[in-house]
Amino acid sequence: AQSVTQPDIHITVSEGASLELRCNYSYGATPYLFWYVQSPGQGLQLLLKYFSGDTLVQGIKGFEAEFKRSQSSFNLRKPSVHWSDAAEYFCAVGSQTGANNLFFGTGTRLTVIP
Amino acid sequence: GAVVSQHPSRVICKSGTSVKIECRSLDFQATTMFWYRQFPKKSLMLMATSNEGSKATYEQGVEKDKFLINHASLTLSTLTVTSAHPEDSSFYICSAREFGGGAAKNIQYFGAGTRLSVL
Repeated sequence: AQSVTQPDIHITVSEGASLELRCNYSYGATPYLFWYVQSPGQGLQLLLKYFSGDTLVQGIKGFEAEFKRSQSSFNLRKPSVHWSDAAEYFCAVGSQTGANNLFFGTGTRLTVIP
Repeated sequence: GAVVSQHPSRVICKSGTSVKIECRSLDFQATTMFWYRQFPKKSLMLMATSNEGSKATYEQGVEKDKFLINHASLTLSTLTVTSAHPEDSSFYICSAREFGGGAAKNIQYFGAGTRLSVL
């Protein structure tokens, strides 16, 4: 069965500190992997995606993520967090074939303190 | 970049009335659109998959007569919450997948969401 686990419900970091948000997935086929960010009361914005090729992918706003097949993980990182990064972050997995729908993790809320 | 417009952003209605939410892909054609529901501090729950020109596919537990979906064109899908009740109050988000298939197109772009409050 497909599932996405984001083990950290809430993370607090200081502005300027590095950030890593964890994501583990369980998927029967070769997955597509995504990270989305949601500001309060807003929709989701795509940060980055992995389809194939280089397992380290770069996204917008200085974010990157690394696909590790052996660990079934797709962790999101940023070397220096800005106050504007405070938001909810969702990891999602989808199929490379067939069904188009995404399976989302429960999200990680990021708080940035000055 | 691909833009999805969702309208209205917020709606308050009386119990028993129906509410229509529109989802439009502004700069691309979307054969497939998705409707999600998000509960407070929870993840997104897929309600249904909407394919242009055909009936929507509903997820288990979602009442198709309650949540009517129409996808009449490649740029517009609508969700109508019929005879809304307070338990239908939620944040509804749509997304659209670009027409054309292939890996590069298999990305969902999301609307800004609709906050529905049923009194």
